[in-house]
Amino acid sequence: KAGVTQTPRYLIKTRGQQVTLSCSPISGHRSVSWYQQTPGQGLQFLFEYFSETQRNKGNFPGRFSGRQFSNSRSEMNVSTLELGDSALYLCASSLAGADQYFGAGTRLSVL
Amino acid sequence: GQNIDQPTEMTATEGAIVQINCTYQTSGFNGLFWYQQHAGEAPTFLSYNVLDGLEEKGRFSSFLSRSKGYSYLLLKELQMKDSASYLCAVRRSNDYKLSFGAGTTVTVRA
Repeated sequence: KAGVTQTPRYLIKTRGQQVTLSCSPISGHRSVSWYQQTPGQGLQFLFEYFSETQRNKGNFPGRFSGRQFSNSRSEMNVSTLELGDSALYLCASSLAGADQYFGAGTRLSVL
Repeated sequence: GQNIDQPTEMTATEGAIVQINCTYQTSGFNGLFWYQQHAGEAPTFLSYNVLDGLEEKGRFSSFLSRSKGYSYLLLKELQMKDSASYLCAVRRSNDYKLSFGAGTTVTVRA
């Protein structure tokens, strides 16, 4: 069974640009959660999608948004990038929000 | 909100035992998870406790006391490959949101 796939693995953007990250969950998993990980803040919850609906949301500004498609694949978008958005973005999938299985992450660098 | 506290760093010798403590405060508890994360890699699931007591899985064991808001992860017979960050995470019962502690970096020395 394939694991959680995140693309791209690495990304370099400049301030003010926007970026879209993709996550394909484990087959059969309907819940996808997104996290931001930085050395100073650790793993911070961004949002969770279940059956195409946002079920939970963390404390991030509106520049961070996401969506989930009917095949459970999810995308995360960050608009008007800031230097502080440089981080590892992790996606995790689960059957119904239980045990979460993480993807390898997308490392975003904002210059 | 949730407060999850765990030590920042721990060092131990190969073959020894290390215990990583995690204390938490939450409104509505629905389980405590431990994850292992090697540098530059994604977190991997280690254990899950929802009832009080000890869960053993090979060299790793996890304990939970809900009344004390306390858990620990016990790593036995330490190996060099166990050098990693260990993350404690708590799930809330009302929204199933998972909140992570800052992680404990364990360094295993020969």
